[in-house]
Amino acid sequence: GAVVSQHPSWVICKSGTSVKIECRSLDFQATTMFWYRQFPKQSLMLMATSNEGSKATYEQGVEKDKFLINHASLTLSTLTVTSAHPEDSSFYICSAGQGFQGAIQYFGAGTRLSVL
Amino acid sequence: TQLLEQSPQFLSIQEGENLTVYCNSSSVFSSLQWYRQEPGEGPVLLVTVVTGGEVKKLKRLTFQFGDARKDSSLHITAAQPGDTGLYLCAGGSQGNLIFGKGTKLSVKP
Repeated sequence: GAVVSQHPSWVICKSGTSVKIECRSLDFQATTMFWYRQFPKQSLMLMATSNEGSKATYEQGVEKDKFLINHASLTLSTLTVTSAHPEDSSFYICSAGQGFQGAIQYFGAGTRLSVL
Repeated sequence: TQLLEQSPQFLSIQEGENLTVYCNSSSVFSSLQWYRQEPGEGPVLLVTVVTGGEVKKLKRLTFQFGDARKDSSLHITAAQPGDTGLYLCAGGSQGNLIFGKGTKLSVKP
């Protein structure tokens, strides 16, 4: 149980285009989902917390207009990187929370974004 | 600001050796989780500990949560090449996870 599917696993796009990444909890309902960014050889950096039916909470320094998050259902959250630039190239990982306040998180396999 | 200090940052050992990874903080956490991550993949949850002093075993892996719920350790017995990966500890606080920087373990045959 507790499977989280993230799609796509790898995307290459041109500078200025937008990219949407999907995160689905396949066998449980997640009121809270989380989006992380990970640079090479570094740990995970929380970008935002997404709650079903409400606006996402962004961490300090993360542009909400650049990284649009939608959590329309209890099993799906999406992250859209708008007007992507080469510096947005990174490994993006989502997780879905279970338990009180989503205390236990199960992670997707990640999305490698390369912006040319 | 809550921080989790993980040590060592890198560890390279021979197959069959034992090792311990530490995760320390000055803050109290409601829970602590250990993950293992392989390159190009998301972290995989290994264990969650919630009670001070709790010890959990997962085959050759032993996890301990400190009595004060501020620190944790992961001990691997008779390491195997398949144990190679990035080990991350994460402390639960108010619905978020605070991650350590990770320990990159390499087990050579």
